[in-house]
Amino acid sequence: GAVVSQHPSWVICKSGTSVKIECRSLDFQATTMFWYRQFPKQSLMLMATSNEGSKATYEQGVEKDKFLINHASLTLSTLTVTSAHPEDSSFYICSATAGANTEAFFGQGTRLTVV
Amino acid sequence: KQEVTQIPAALSVPEGENLVLNCSFTDSAIYNLQWFRQDPGKGLTSLLLIQSSQREQTSGRLNASLDKSSGRSTLYIAASQPGDSATYLCAVAGNQFYFGTGTSLTVIP
Repeated sequence: GAVVSQHPSWVICKSGTSVKIECRSLDFQATTMFWYRQFPKQSLMLMATSNEGSKATYEQGVEKDKFLINHASLTLSTLTVTSAHPEDSSFYICSATAGANTEAFFGQGTRLTVV
Repeated sequence: KQEVTQIPAALSVPEGENLVLNCSFTDSAIYNLQWFRQDPGKGLTSLLLIQSSQREQTSGRLNASLDKSSGRSTLYIAASQPGDSATYLCAVAGNQFYFGTGTSLTVIP
């Protein structure tokens, strides 16, 4: 199947700093990318949907100024957690699709720990 | 809004048993449904994808069915093995993806 690469796989940062997570589709053009967050023992929750070249659509309760999403090309989307705090510590996963009714491919996830 | 429910939340079976995991969704207007496996602290591994026009998909010991009209999908695992122990998630694709809460499976040697 297609490959989605997410980097880094884990990161530890100090409270107040910003962290950027990259999501790349390696062998297909991802018209839509999704960012999810998963707290311990909970299911994945959608944070935002981004289409290439346009602004991301954020789910209710997700602060767009805190979680900056950029989808500047058909193969790369980035999620930047700005001014991170310990409560932002979570597992973040991206997924990418080539179209609305096609299979979704997921990155390996990024475990963020804010200390 | 689409709601996806998985039952049971946790399941423990002895090795070799066949088992069924259930997934239900409230809005039948979906493009497809995927079953995933998630190991602790890891990302997702896609197991099976069923398009909305399909009734079932099979891969090895896994068989997934889809009844869109009733909003149900099942994942059947034959001859379970300890290595099958993981959390299994279903996700339905409409305008976005909606995940179920997962079923935590433990296969006892």
